[in-house]
Amino acid sequence: GESVGLHLPTLSVQEGDNSIINCAYSNSASDYFIWYKQESGKGPQFIIDIRSNMDKRQGQRVTVLLNKTVKHLSLQIAATQPGDSAVYFCAENNAGTALIFGKGTTLSVSS
Amino acid sequence: GAGVSQTPSNKVTEKGKYVELRCDPISGHTALYWYRQSLGQGPEFLIYFQGTGAADDSGLPNDRFFAVRPEGSVSTLKIQRTERGDSAVYLCASSSGTSETQYFGPGTRLLVL
Repeated sequence: GESVGLHLPTLSVQEGDNSIINCAYSNSASDYFIWYKQESGKGPQFIIDIRSNMDKRQGQRVTVLLNKTVKHLSLQIAATQPGDSAVYFCAENNAGTALIFGKGTTLSVSS
Repeated sequence: GAGVSQTPSNKVTEKGKYVELRCDPISGHTALYWYRQSLGQGPEFLIYFQGTGAADDSGLPNDRFFAVRPEGSVSTLKIQRTERGDSAVYLCASSSGTSETQYFGPGTRLLVL
């Protein structure tokens, strides 16, 4: 699989590979974290979320890991498919109001 | 409806004109948010409503921007004396409450000529 330790604006993988997208968040008081997928011309689509009392959460083909010590969030996509190609954003939330979005990562999946 | 809807999907206007952007949240969602997204960037928060009242408008860039939600459902974002720098995608999101998942609409693409 393809993984990156630091945030990179783009990630290119082959179909079937596992993808890991990383994100550093800014506020140590943030207690809720969300990953969104955004396709061209569309609004952000919810993928998976995690609260600060957890360090891992799994969904269908996706896993989110939270490391509060270093304020790091990652999204793992298993068996990446061409339909996963999009821009992925992490977002943090503190006190339940505004989401603060990180820099997006453009995932390109080739078949 | 099944999701958040926004109208119009695209809006082209001239510098100095007034525009209104509409958001229909998911039925029953009490919280509603407006964000603005410039090309190549993540969404940036503008304003948040809990019910009919604006609970947090700290993201509005200046007093040309105003939003209302008179009946606690549909919201309208109003921009006076538009400037070319206002060109962006304006996104609306709703959630069932604070600290709950925010679901986004498709956005309104505003172009100020």
